[in-house]
Amino acid sequence: AQSVTQPDIHITVSEGASLELRCNYSYGATPYLFWYVQSPGQGLQLLLKYFSGDTLVQGIKGFEAEFKRSQSSFNLRKPSVHWSDAAEYFCAVVPSGRGGGNKLTFGTGTQLKVEL
Amino acid sequence: ETGVTQSPTHLIKTRGQQVTLRCSSQSGHNTVSWYQQALGQGPQFIFQYYREEENGRGNFPPRFSGLQFPNYSSELNVNALELDDSALYLCASSNMNTEAFFGQGTRLTVV
Repeated sequence: AQSVTQPDIHITVSEGASLELRCNYSYGATPYLFWYVQSPGQGLQLLLKYFSGDTLVQGIKGFEAEFKRSQSSFNLRKPSVHWSDAAEYFCAVVPSGRGGGNKLTFGTGTQLKVEL
Repeated sequence: ETGVTQSPTHLIKTRGQQVTLRCSSQSGHNTVSWYQQALGQGPQFIFQYYREEENGRGNFPPRFSGLQFPNYSSELNVNALELDDSALYLCASSNMNTEAFFGQGTRLTVV
């Protein structure tokens, strides 16, 4: 069965600093990959997705992620963090060919705190 | 284009009771998936409905059941509630080959 690992449970960065959130997946073939963000008590908002093609994908709010097949990773990055980025971030996968947003397997999340 | 809406936003039930949660899918979407998110955890897939038929189920007991209606809205029903059912329940709508869009969730507390 596929699994998603987000090694960092909590991360604290200073406003204006760069950010990288790690995500590794375990699956036999390259899945579809997603990053979602969740503010406290809220639903999930899609930041970006990778289906195929260019391995560097751009998302909303200035986020980007790079798919590295050799490392089974899909790390999320942002060059300069804003205080409003404080939230929980989830990496998710779905088997390719099964449909883009269906039957997602999520990681346990990384809680981002931004220091002013 | 309307987004995914869920109702109610919060709910308190007693152990052993039954609950129904509702989800209106985003306009143009024909697939609805339900997820359970326990406190401090990532969402866990419960089941999915595609064109009114169940299309996959996660590791949840039969007391979790659902429906999808002709307008693609959906219900999640949970019977014989247990304390561990306390969670945020998320609905996501999509088409079969597009990304999922989530509602704001229903916070269920079982006491």
